[in-house]
Amino acid sequence: AQKITQTQPGMFVQEKEAVTLDCTYDTSDPSYGLFWYKQPSSGEMIFLIYQGSYDQQNATEGRYSLNFQKARKSANLVISASQLGDSAMYFCAMREKNGGSYIPTFGRGTSLIVHP
Amino acid sequence: NAGVTQTPKFQVLKTGQSMTLQCAQDMNHEYMSWYRQDPGMGLRLIHYSVGAGITDQGEVPNGYNVSRSTTEDFPLRLLSAAPSQTSVYFCASTRSGDPGLAYGEQFFGPGTRLTVL
Repeated sequence: AQKITQTQPGMFVQEKEAVTLDCTYDTSDPSYGLFWYKQPSSGEMIFLIYQGSYDQQNATEGRYSLNFQKARKSANLVISASQLGDSAMYFCAMREKNGGSYIPTFGRGTSLIVHP
Repeated sequence: NAGVTQTPKFQVLKTGQSMTLQCAQDMNHEYMSWYRQDPGMGLRLIHYSVGAGITDQGEVPNGYNVSRSTTEDFPLRLLSAAPSQTSVYFCASTRSGDPGLAYGEQFFGPGTRLTVL
């Protein structure tokens, strides 16, 4: 079973509108971290936002917010007021304990295209 | 700070050849890892290291070797290249293995695009 599931291979949004990218995860470890990364067409991986498993509040970073629903094991990324530069691949990732180390696992990604 | 550097950026190999992908970081990070990215598959962990002298296997380790003799360097060796190893390879570093933000955010290198003919 996949530890990180991103069910939307591709998403389209109009410029200036909000968009939600879905991510569900699977872990039995009470201590874990959830991350979102952006990969533009140039190929680099850019860290966007983080949510810790013990955090009570949803994380926010500028136009990015993470809708964390612990009981449902979901960590959706919300991008408000989309911009053309937001067109990219978006990856959800989780770090959980595996043996003595914390191992990161990535989802397969969602391609976001922002239309003018 | 240069962050995480990878060389080469592009490489073409013939089946059976061996080579080493270089990765270095200047942030004094404990944790380093190698991923491969294939279309539709996301990033898959090949090997990782939690400190100098300590390495372990990730999800897809077969055909690859790593070593970590210093904190800064984490080279990835392809022992006998196969067409199935055609991929984009990313090296990443993290301050430590802790999942918390202060330590868990990964810094990625620019990637190496490898083609095996």
